[in-house]
Amino acid sequence: GEQVEQRPPHLSVREGDSAVITCTYTDPNSYYFFWYKQEPGASLQLLMKVFSSTEINEGQGFTVLLNKKDKRLSLNLTAAHPGDSAAYFCADNVGDNSKLIWGLGTSLVVNP
Amino acid sequence: EAAVTQSPRNKVAVTGGKVTLSCNQTNNHNNMYWYRQDTGHGLRLIHYSYGAGSTEKGDIPDGYKASRPSQENFSLILELATPSQTSVYFCASGQGSGNTLYFGEGSRLIVV
Repeated sequence: GEQVEQRPPHLSVREGDSAVITCTYTDPNSYYFFWYKQEPGASLQLLMKVFSSTEINEGQGFTVLLNKKDKRLSLNLTAAHPGDSAAYFCADNVGDNSKLIWGLGTSLVVNP
Repeated sequence: EAAVTQSPRNKVAVTGGKVTLSCNQTNNHNNMYWYRQDTGHGLRLIHYSYGAGSTEKGDIPDGYKASRPSQENFSLILELATPSQTSVYFCASGQGSGNTLYFGEGSRLIVV
């Protein structure tokens, strides 16, 4: 079945640096992707929803790139700040049900 | 704003005891999910439901039951709790394919 591999599992950067988290998926029919953020001890909050038809999605302080040829989804944080310290999860919605296939997460630490 | 509430937020149970985790959503979403989150495993789907009266097995259903008595409520039941079920459990609701999942705040269960 569909699998999602997320890398790296841990990432430590300095404030102001960029950070990149990548997910590779296997099913070419994936329709939607999601990025969720989980702050320590908290729940998961939606960061961005990505449609398979859109290669570049931008949010506040980050960009999500979708490379369908390589089946790769990346979350790029520009100028990271300590408030970005959290776990980030990608998820793939395959098919016409709402079950998600999850990456294992990336723990990001942004040092002042 | 979508609202998913879980109870209890923290629970200590004895091995062999029965534990019920409850979830309530006010979003009128058809789909509800129970996940557990453990370090190194990310989010793993236990049970899910497409509506009142329906429950489906997820990826790791063994040792768990689920109940969906109404659109709003979805419970996870551990009939005979074991220490391996010590974890953080998240409930989520969503409307269907491509739709965002909204998560509760999590229930931390320790089985001693």
